[in-house]
Amino acid sequence: DADVTQTPRNRITKTGKRIMLECSQTKGHDRMYWYRQDPGLGLQLIYYSFDVKDINKGEISDGYSVSRQAQAKFSLSLESAIPNQTALYFCATSDPTGGTGELFFGEGSRLTVL
Amino acid sequence: AQKITQTQPGMFVQEKEAVTLDCTYDTSDPSYGLFWYKQPSSGEMIFLIYQGSYDQQNATEGRYSLNFQKARKSANLVISASQLGDSAMYFCAMREVFTGTASKLTFGTGTRLQVTL
Repeated sequence: DADVTQTPRNRITKTGKRIMLECSQTKGHDRMYWYRQDPGLGLQLIYYSFDVKDINKGEISDGYSVSRQAQAKFSLSLESAIPNQTALYFCATSDPTGGTGELFFGEGSRLTVL
Repeated sequence: AQKITQTQPGMFVQEKEAVTLDCTYDTSDPSYGLFWYKQPSSGEMIFLIYQGSYDQQNATEGRYSLNFQKARKSANLVISASQLGDSAMYFCAMREVFTGTASKLTFGTGTRLQVTL
C-alpha cells in the first residue's frame, strides 16, 4: 500500500458542484501539503499544514478550502467547482526533522470540471 | 521573479547516451536544498536526487548526478546511459530553509525527456 493515499484518483464533475479530495498518510509526518499541477506551470502550492491546528494558505488558495481531520488526514475541498480548476492534484508530506526535507507525494487525483 | 527556471520544455536523447537537464534558481537564502523529481506518464512524482547548498560534493544516485554550480546558481541533472524508461517529465525544485515556508518546495515548469532508440 502507498504511504500517501489519495482518493478519488479520477473524478469528473460539473461546474458548481462541491468536490472533496481526500489524502491519508502512514508516514507519521506532521507536515502535509496540497499542490496543483497544470500543464506548463509545474506544481503550485494550494494549502499546507504543520499539524492539526495549523493550516496555512499557499500561492493559489482562492476557491479551495482544507480540513486537517487528524495527523494522518488532510482533505481539499472545492466548494463550487469551475472549469479552470481542472488539474492534477497532489497531496504530499514531509518530515522537517531529518533527512533532506523532501516531499513524499501521493499518486495524484485527476479532476475534470465540465 | 521565477525562483526555479527550467528553460528546456522538451529534450530528446538516444538510448545509452547521457543527457543534461538544465535548472537555474534564484534565492538569497544562504541555506537551501535542491531536488529533482521524475513524473512518468502514469502521473506519480518520484524523488530522484537532492543537493544541499552546503554540500561540498555533487550528489549522485546511480545513473543520476547533479551538476551543482553554486556561483552560477545552477543545478543541472545529468542522466547517464539513458534508458527508454527514463522518458518522463522532470521537475527541479528548491526548498529555502530560512526564507522559505514550512519546508515547502518551489517547482520549475519541467522538462519533458523523450528517449529514442
